Amino acid sequence: AQSVAQPEDQVNVAEGNPLTVKCTYSVSGNPYLFWYVQYPNRGLQFLLKEITGDNLVKGSYGFEAEYNKSQTSFHLKKPSALVSDSALYFCAVRDSGYNKLIFGAGTRLAVHP
Amino acid sequence: DSGVTQTPKHLITATGQRVTLRCSPRSGDLSVYWYQQSLDQGLQFLIQYYNGEERAKGNILERFSAQQFPDLHSELNLSSLELGDSALYFCASSGYEQYFGPGTRLTVT
Repeated sequence: AQSVAQPEDQVNVAEGNPLTVKCTYSVSGNPYLFWYVQYPNRGLQFLLKEITGDNLVKGSYGFEAEYNKSQTSFHLKKPSALVSDSALYFCAVRDSGYNKLIFGAGTRLAVHP
Repeated sequence: DSGVTQTPKHLITATGQRVTLRCSPRSGDLSVYWYQQSLDQGLQFLIQYYNGEERAKGNILERFSAQQFPDLHSELNLSSLELGDSALYFCASSGYEQYFGPGTRLTVT
């Protein structure tokens, strides 16, 4: 069965410091991986996707993700965090049979001034 | 703005009642996906429609049903509501990546 794990419930970062939000996955076949962000009382916003096998994927708002096939990881990164990046981040994998997304439990990112 | 619209934004109702949530996908998208977000279950896929036909089913209760109409908007019907049905319900339409609507927050009292 396909699954996504986000091992950290919360990540705390000081503004200006680099941030990493971790994600590991378990899929059969080639993974199609996604990151979404959810701000309070808002829907999920697409950040970036990995579908071609590239090791580094660039996305919206300065975010990027590091894909490591051997470690089955897809960590979200940003070189310099902003307070406005504080939100709930979800990693997801596309189901191989259908297009539905399987989400991790989410990681709350708190960026402190 | 994702281009996916959902109404209503908030819904407060009593146990045992029935509600209908509505979703309009992005222009040109044929697929609609429904997801439920709750504190204890996280984000879970409920059901997918493609061009009016049910395509995939997830953890959807028998008390819940959905349909997609010829104009491609979709409705999610929740009946015999229980306290545990209180959640955020999202629909998404697709593209290669899914674009999510703002959600409907359902509170069952």
